[in-house]
Amino acid sequence: DVKVTQSSRYLVKRTGEKVFLECVQDMDHENMFWYRQDPGLGLRLIYFSYDVKMKEKGDIPEGYSVSREKKERFSLILESASTNQTSMYLCASSKQGLDTEAFFGQGTRLTVV
Amino acid sequence: AQSVSQHNHHVILSEAASLELGCNYSYGGTVNLFWYVQYPGQHLQLLLKYFSGDPLVKGIKGFEAEFIKSKFSFNLRKPSVQWSDTAEYFCAPQSNDYKLSFGAGTTVTVRA
Repeated sequence: DVKVTQSSRYLVKRTGEKVFLECVQDMDHENMFWYRQDPGLGLRLIYFSYDVKMKEKGDIPEGYSVSREKKERFSLILESASTNQTSMYLCASSKQGLDTEAFFGQGTRLTVV
Repeated sequence: AQSVSQHNHHVILSEAASLELGCNYSYGGTVNLFWYVQYPGQHLQLLLKYFSGDPLVKGIKGFEAEFIKSKFSFNLRKPSVQWSDTAEYFCAPQSNDYKLSFGAGTTVTVRA
């Protein structure tokens, strides 16, 4: 059974804190993605990675960074959390190739107070 | 920059009605196209995909989609919906650099 696991289901952080969201996949996938999902806006791509130590900006990278030191793990970092980063964060992975299905984690609902 | 437009924000139907959800994308190069579905409380999952070949593709649960290159469209259809099709539907084009973008989504509510 394929699996993408996000470290936390719910998270509450204070404004200005550094926040780490972790994602691990057990399918040996090359591609990994971080999205945020907001009502009426769908999923917006923050960053993606197609290989270890490689990262590419998505559509809304401002205020975020990522790290991919190992193939199975892709971390999203909020350097200084702000209230407008309150959202549902989704991690996904897929095999190398352009017609492959992306598998999603269960999501982390982050609230910044 | 690549963009995706889903025309309907919320669609409400009765069971057995036909469904069509519009999707247009803007991207000049080769693109692969996906529809994903998110049932209430569940993960996003793949409904169907188009990579090449026959522009009419069939997916799970009786869904199909047609790729019309000249219109940059990939509309989703189902001839007869069921209550269990209540979900949020996302169109997602993928460009050659592996970037997978999503539309804003369409919430479909099927009334029994």
